[in-house]
Amino acid sequence: GAVVSQHPSWVICKSGTSVKIECRSLDFQATTMFWYRQFPKQSLMLMATSNEGSKATYEQGVEKDKFLINHASLTLSTLTVTSAHPEDSSFYICSAKRGGDSPLHFGNGTRLTVT
Amino acid sequence: KQEVTQIPAALSVPEGENLVLNCSFTDSAIYNLQWFRQDPGKGLTSLLLIQSSQREQTSGRLNASLDKSSGRSTLYIAASQPGDSATYLCAVREAGANSKLTFGKGITLSVRP
Repeated sequence: GAVVSQHPSWVICKSGTSVKIECRSLDFQATTMFWYRQFPKQSLMLMATSNEGSKATYEQGVEKDKFLINHASLTLSTLTVTSAHPEDSSFYICSAKRGGDSPLHFGNGTRLTVT
Repeated sequence: KQEVTQIPAALSVPEGENLVLNCSFTDSAIYNLQWFRQDPGKGLTSLLLIQSSQREQTSGRLNASLDKSSGRSTLYIAASQPGDSATYLCAVREAGANSKLTFGKGITLSVRP
């Protein structure tokens, strides 16, 4: 149990376009979802925390108008990279958990390449 | 601000060797510590999770220890195999309902046949 599905697994887009990444909890209700970004040979850096039905909380230095996060249901959160640029090329990973101090479960990540 | 350090960044060992991967963190007020495995271009696979009240956890050939007071954890891999080649990430979780994980940069392990 506790499967998190992330889609797409990879995407290539042109500079200036927007890309949407989905994160779904398949067999549990995710009260909270987290979005991370990972550059090559670097650690996962938390971008934002989203709770179902409320606005996401962004980490310092992450532009909320560029990385739009929606968590409209207990099983789905989306990250939209708006007006993507080559420097946004990265590996994006989501994680989800039930309420309280329950364990975190990770998706398989999305490789974004902006040309 | 919590910082997690993993040194060295890369490690290469011959098959069959027992090895220890180290992780240190700056703030000992953690809820738990978790070791993950990441294969190239893939997501994270949770290996072991140690609650702050525990000293170690074991799963098969893997053993993770936690010394919260000194801010250290080790992942011990017994009888390493080529299939163990991957990046191993250490992450600490703060206490709290929306607690986040702070990751180290990982140690890339290569086990030579």
